[in-house]
Amino acid sequence: QVQLQQWGAGLLKPSETLSLTCAVYGGSFSGYYWSWIRQPPGKGLEWIGEINPGGRTNYKPSLKSRVTLSLDTSKNQFTLKLRSVTAADTAVYYCARDYDSSGYYYPWGQGTLVTVSS
Amino acid sequence: QSVLTQPPSASGTPGQRVTISCSGSSSNIGTNYVYWYQQLPGTAPKLLIYKNNQWPSGVPDRFSGSKSGTSASLAISGLRSEDEADYYCAVWDDSLSDRVFGGGTKLTVL
Repeated sequence: QVQLQQWGAGLLKPSETLSLTCAVYGGSFSGYYWSWIRQPPGKGLEWIGEINPGGRTNYKPSLKSRVTLSLDTSKNQFTLKLRSVTAADTAVYYCARDYDSSGYYYPWGQGTLVTVSS
Repeated sequence: QSVLTQPPSASGTPGQRVTISCSGSSSNIGTNYVYWYQQLPGTAPKLLIYKNNQWPSGVPDRFSGSKSGTSASLAISGLRSEDEADYYCAVWDDSLSDRVFGGGTKLTVL
């Protein structure tokens, strides 16, 4: 059974770079898109972007200038970097597997609360 | 303000049938598949319905999805207390080149 385990810094100051990593256990890394989705406290879900094992990326247009997704196929891990964070980036960040860039998100990571505060 | 409109809340009593709507446009629901997610408090979302009306393995058929034109619906029959959660629709938007989620509907089981 595929499981996703994510980690990263939970408290950042404005202008810093958010960095989260998600590891894939128990399943193939190839053949899927690997995605990041966030949820501000008390609010709805927001797609951030996705990457496939070939390195092809799709980003949310409004975040594209600040986001970079990368992957390490040797470790079955993928990483989210979000530059120049502000309080508006405070959210629970989830990693998820997407079947064929379709929106079929399963499974999900456990989520990481990232708080941006001075 | 999401491009997909969901009612902020819905409610029902045990055993009832409840429907949650998701309204979009020709560039999203009108063209692409709709997905539905259930989020229990403090947990990651769970896929309920994919490609408008398909069930992932393990999801009971009490949950059903449908789509007509630029709107989609999630129906829950035989409502149970454990169905109390937030529900989100999701779809790719061709005009925005973005995957968009509805604002979410909080379902209360009375």
